[in-house]
Parts: sequence; C-alpha cells; structure tokens
Amino acid sequence: AQRVTQPEKLLSVFKGAPVELKCNYSYSGSPELFWYVQYSRQRLQLLLRHISRESIKGFTADLNKGETSFHLKKPFAQEEDSAMYYCALSSGNEKLTFGTGTRLTIIP
Amino acid sequence: GAVVSQHPSRVICKSGTSVKIECRSLDFQATTMFWYRQFPKQSLMLMATSNEGSKATYEQGVEKDKFLINHASLTLSTLTVTSAHPEDSSFYICSARDHTGRFYNEQFFGPGTRLTVL
Repeated sequence: AQRVTQPEKLLSVFKGAPVELKCNYSYSGSPELFWYVQYSRQRLQLLLRHISRESIKGFTADLNKGETSFHLKKPFAQEEDSAMYYCALSSGNEKLTFGTGTRLTIIP
Repeated sequence: GAVVSQHPSRVICKSGTSVKIECRSLDFQATTMFWYRQFPKQSLMLMATSNEGSKATYEQGVEKDKFLINHASLTLSTLTVTSAHPEDSSFYICSARDHTGRFYNEQFFGPGTRLTVL
C-alpha cells in the first residue's frame, strides 16, 4: 500500500528565512509526487509535480528515491506563502494519496 | 487552468434525509472525477473514482449504497449521501481530470461542500 507522511502539522518561519516542508512516501513502484497548496478560503491547487522539475513561486522539490522523500523548499519565505501544504503521491492509476498536510505560517 | 465547481457549497439537513452534491467541470470534459472526504484538520481521503458512463470504483471501507455516485455526462458527477446521519457530516471535495492532455492530466479541485447533518 502507498503512504505519504508529512511529519510536521504546523511550521512557523520568519519572513526571509528558508522554508523546508518535509514529505516522505512509501511505494514499491515508481511514484509520481506532487505538492498541493490551499490558501485561506481557497480550493486546493497544484503547486508543483516532480516530473516537471519546475520552480513555482520560488518553491522547488526534488524526488530522492533513496530516501523516499520529496521535500518542498524555498530559500526566502514570503508572507503570502502562508497556507496549508499537502504532499501527494500517484501510483499511475490516477488516484492520489495525500499526506496529512502542513500548515505553514510566515511570521512578518 | 481548468475550473471545477461544486453545488451546494454548504448544506444542513436532518438525520435520515438524502443529500445530493454536484461536481461540474466548467470548461473541459472529464471522463474521470474523484470524490474525497475531509474531516476537520485531517487530510483528504479518496472515497471513490467516478467514471463517465460506468459504475464508480469505491475505496475500501466506503459504502457504495450509502454514497451513490452518478457520472452521467462528461461534465457532471453527483454524489448522493443517502439516509444521512450526523457521522456523515464532513467536507466533501471533488476533482476532475482533463483527459485531452492540455494540463498533463492534472487534477483540478472543486471548492468543496460542507455537509452538516443534524
């Protein structure tokens, strides 16, 4: 069975400081990993996916198969980054398995 | 990106009644839609995969007779919570995929429906 673990429920970071949201997964095959974000009173939306290797809003995430991790990073936090972040895994059958989420708060 | 709507945004009903929630893809066709349930301060749990023109595929532990799913067209899927009870109170979210490849099979999420059963 596949599982996604986000060990931090809450994370507070000062504005301008680096951010790292942790995500670990367990899956025996080749997964596709995603980060979704939910801003206050908005719907869930895709932030980035590992296959695209993009930097979105300054965020990057590298898939580390050896450590089965897909941590989300940003070098300099901004106030507008405050949101709920979910790591998710797809095993190729379209279904997404979500982690429990991390609420990121940027302190001005 | 593509837009997914849900209706109603919130509903309050009495125990024993049935509630229907609609999920629509507004500017794209979705052969597959997904229904999730989210409890307060918890993650999204996939309930079922809704396939246009065929039966839904339910996740383990989800009662198919309790949560009826109909995907009658390429832009509409409905979730009916039958004989609702207070424990069915939750936030229900749908998502849809554009299979034309415009968005690389990304899932687009609706805004959710808050169901409260009294």
